[in-house]
Amino acid sequence: SQQGEEDPQALSIQEGENATMNCSYKTSINNLQWYRQNSGRGLVHLILIRSNEREKHSGRLRVTLDTSKKSSSLLITASRAADTASYFCATDRGAQKLVFGQGTRLTINP
Amino acid sequence: DTGVSQDPRHKITKRGQNVTFRCDPISEHNRLYWYRQTLGQGPEFLTYFQNEAQLEKSRLLSDRFSAERPKGSFSTLEIQRTEQGDSAMYLCASSSRADTQYFGPGTRLTVL
Repeated sequence: SQQGEEDPQALSIQEGENATMNCSYKTSINNLQWYRQNSGRGLVHLILIRSNEREKHSGRLRVTLDTSKKSSSLLITASRAADTASYFCATDRGAQKLVFGQGTRLTINP
Repeated sequence: DTGVSQDPRHKITKRGQNVTFRCDPISEHNRLYWYRQTLGQGPEFLTYFQNEAQLEKSRLLSDRFSAERPKGSFSTLEIQRTEQGDSAMYLCASSSRADTQYFGPGTRLTVL
């Protein structure tokens, strides 16, 4: 079974706008990771945030983690057409396996 | 490129046939994972190796599935007597520590 749930399931925005995706999970975690997947391809690691961190930045990406609410958000600023992909959050409970949500399908319109 | 590689990228087989997939992890990574992803879903964990030892298996891994990592380097995933429900993308990942996992491009299996 999958622990994480992403919201929204699909998001369509104009190029240049910001995109925000949310992830909720059910149990305590060691860390939470965000991945991107282009259609029919493998997953690309974007960012990892540990349970004792609240916010992390990487380029145009900003991730927040609220362990009290068991939720995380991924913000992509100044979106580009190349950002069109599915985005997944994955939680690591220290059990050596990642538990993924169902993903958010992001479409950037030119 | 020294990323995770998987072979083949695509496999079409008839129901009842056996198939084998190979994964070559990043060379210095001692941890290797297999996941399965069906259309519209996130990946689901199948099994995990640390070096050559298989340390965890999901209940998704029925007795028709077997995975090996004989020398602690590459790994194979075999599915015997394939069923249509086995059609999915099979993803391999590797890591050097218990955090960031790096994924390969996947093997897409279609069972007719």
